[in-house]
Amino acid sequence: AQSVTQLDSHVSVSEGTPVLLRCNYSSSYSPSLFWYVQHPNKGLQLLLKYTSAATLVKGINGFEAEFKKSETSFHLTKPSAHMSDAAEYFCVVSAGGSNYKLTFGKGTLLTVNP
Amino acid sequence: EAQVTQNPRYLITVTGKKLTVTCSQNMNHEYMSWYRQDPGLGLRQIYYSMNVEVTDKGDVPEGYKVSRKEKRNFPLILESPSPNQTSLYFCASSLSIGRTDTQYFGPGTRLTVL
Repeated sequence: AQSVTQLDSHVSVSEGTPVLLRCNYSSSYSPSLFWYVQHPNKGLQLLLKYTSAATLVKGINGFEAEFKKSETSFHLTKPSAHMSDAAEYFCVVSAGGSNYKLTFGKGTLLTVNP
Repeated sequence: EAQVTQNPRYLITVTGKKLTVTCSQNMNHEYMSWYRQDPGLGLRQIYYSMNVEVTDKGDVPEGYKVSRKEKRNFPLILESPSPNQTSLYFCASSLSIGRTDTQYFGPGTRLTVL
């Protein structure tokens, strides 16, 4: 069984300040973890993914995430928010095993204030 | 350009009137799936297909049908739509069903059932 919890449904930051979007997961198998971004009226786009290589993963647009097995976390960060980062972000776990399955978090809406 | 396309993008219909949402990908991907997105619930998988003529139920398959007669196409069929199927629908594809594979999403279809 697997699950993913995004700890904040809404995060609001000012432009130029750091972004932290939190994600915890549970999995019976070694997981792959993904962050997707959804801009208004758009489909989901991959930001970054962890697949059991380096635990610190760098993605597009300056985002990065660190896989911490001991804390079962995969938090998304960015040093300095930009207005264009305003979107909804989804943490996703894929644990394989006998059945391929993706489990999505409920999403975190990021608002960036000028 | 590599992409997943969906049609229509917006659809308003009435209860009981059969409809089909088309999905096509030009990346020669084996794996395709359908999701619905509802506020506060994230994305939930409806059906998936691991290859031509191979389909299986996801988490919320009731009221939906799919077919996979060609590798590139994966239509979603609502034979008798009901208001609780009002939602935002996404088609996605990936190269294979490995746990590390990136999903590529279509732009979404917003369906309203009156």
